[in-house]
Amino acid sequence: QVQLVQSGAEVKKPGASVKVSCKASGNSFTISYIHWVRQAPGQGLEWMGVVNPSGASATYAQNFQGRVTMTRDMSKNTVYMDLSGLRSDDTAVYYCARRGRTELADRKYYYYMDVWGLGTTVTVSS
Amino acid sequence: EIVLTQSPLSLPVTPGEPASISCRSSQSLLHSNGYNYLDWYVQKPGQSPQLLIYLGSIRASGVPDRFRGSGSGTDFTLKINRVEAEDVGVYYCMQTLQTLALTFGGGTKVEIK
Repeated sequence: QVQLVQSGAEVKKPGASVKVSCKASGNSFTISYIHWVRQAPGQGLEWMGVVNPSGASATYAQNFQGRVTMTRDMSKNTVYMDLSGLRSDDTAVYYCARRGRTELADRKYYYYMDVWGLGTTVTVSS
Repeated sequence: EIVLTQSPLSLPVTPGEPASISCRSSQSLLHSNGYNYLDWYVQKPGQSPQLLIYLGSIRASGVPDRFRGSGSGTDFTLKINRVEAEDVGVYYCMQTLQTLALTFGGGTKVEIK
């Protein structure tokens, strides 16, 4: 069973950058896409983007384009989410989640988020 | 961007009674393959979200059969047959039709009366 272990809480000043890590156990991690989702205090869930198994390709939500970078280090079984130009409204819990899948007809697949990390709290404050 | 609107915002329920949550999409989530690309997640207090239902109506592994997802196109419903105390949490719908622009509904908080 894959488990995702995220890095610890961070406190950053406005304008700074933060790098959150998501380390996995289990063989399936190496072939899994990893999503990042955040949740501001008392708010709902917001999808940030997804990185492919090799880390060579990532897709970012429009709201974060230009500020977020998602990478992975396959040798460490770890995925990273780097967010720059931090503002107070970036204060949130950041989750990584594995893209699981189920097979449909004709060898097509449907994808969902089936394993989640416990979240990393990022606080942006001057 | 596909916008998902959930209602109600808050749902107080008596244990043993049913509960129903609505999720409406700004665009049809019916894929050409006949499946509805909508998932339900629940976030229990102090926990990370967890998958409940996918493809509109298929329960994820380990999900009790008192949870039922239904609907098609733009209107979807999550029903809890008989609410138990452990079902307390915030329920989110999420569309996966736009695979590169996933979006969540605003959430519905289920609480015990």
